[in-house]
Amino acid sequence: QVQLQESGPGLVKPSETLSLTCTVSGGSISSYYWSWIRQPAGKGLEWIGRIYTSGSTNYNPSLKSRVTMSVDTSKNQFSLKLSSVTAADTAVYYCARTAVDGMDVWGQGTTVTVSS
Amino acid sequence: QSALTQPASVSGSPGQSITISCTGTSSDVGGYNYVSWYQQHPGKAPKLMIYDVSNRPSGVSNRFSGSKSGNTASLTISGLQAEDEADYYCSSYTSSSTGYVFGTGTKVTVL
Repeated sequence: QVQLQESGPGLVKPSETLSLTCTVSGGSISSYYWSWIRQPAGKGLEWIGRIYTSGSTNYNPSLKSRVTMSVDTSKNQFSLKLSSVTAADTAVYYCARTAVDGMDVWGQGTTVTVSS
Repeated sequence: QSALTQPASVSGSPGQSITISCTGTSSDVGGYNYVSWYQQHPGKAPKLMIYDVSNRPSGVSNRFSGSKSGNTASLTISGLQAEDEADYYCSSYTSSSTGYVFGTGTKVTVL
């Protein structure tokens, strides 16, 4: 079955850019939307944005100015970049396969801490 | 886009039924039948429990059911079991971002 795995630095300095990659295994990345979601410790889920395998994107308006998503179908990967990070961006970051009616496959999540 | 509103906590005894509400607007919950529900145990990734308001993915117990009326969706857990103790989040497609918005989350406690 399809599995997702997030990877990237666990520590990012304030004002720098957070970069994460999600690798899709057990199936093709094609013909699906793929989302990033985050969850600060002890808080709720926040949808960051989604990307289709064509490269088309939709972002959360509250993060849109700082978010860039990309996809590499040859590697079965998609990526997130979040610029100008602050401590408020410290969270567990999840990637998830996304249909219009729900997010049915999730990665295990990766913790990113913003600190100098 | 504002988070959908859920009660912070709901509790029930084993065997009982509980219902979690999820209130949005006509731009999200009320405007589309794309409401989903997720169960999250501590330290784990969320798990899809309901999609399209009331459909269960394969493998999800039929003790979980969903419904919607106007701008409010609901998740009902019947025959409550200890393993149902977790956080639950609703989500809806929203026209404000042509994306998604999550609810504030509800902690379910089995007494």
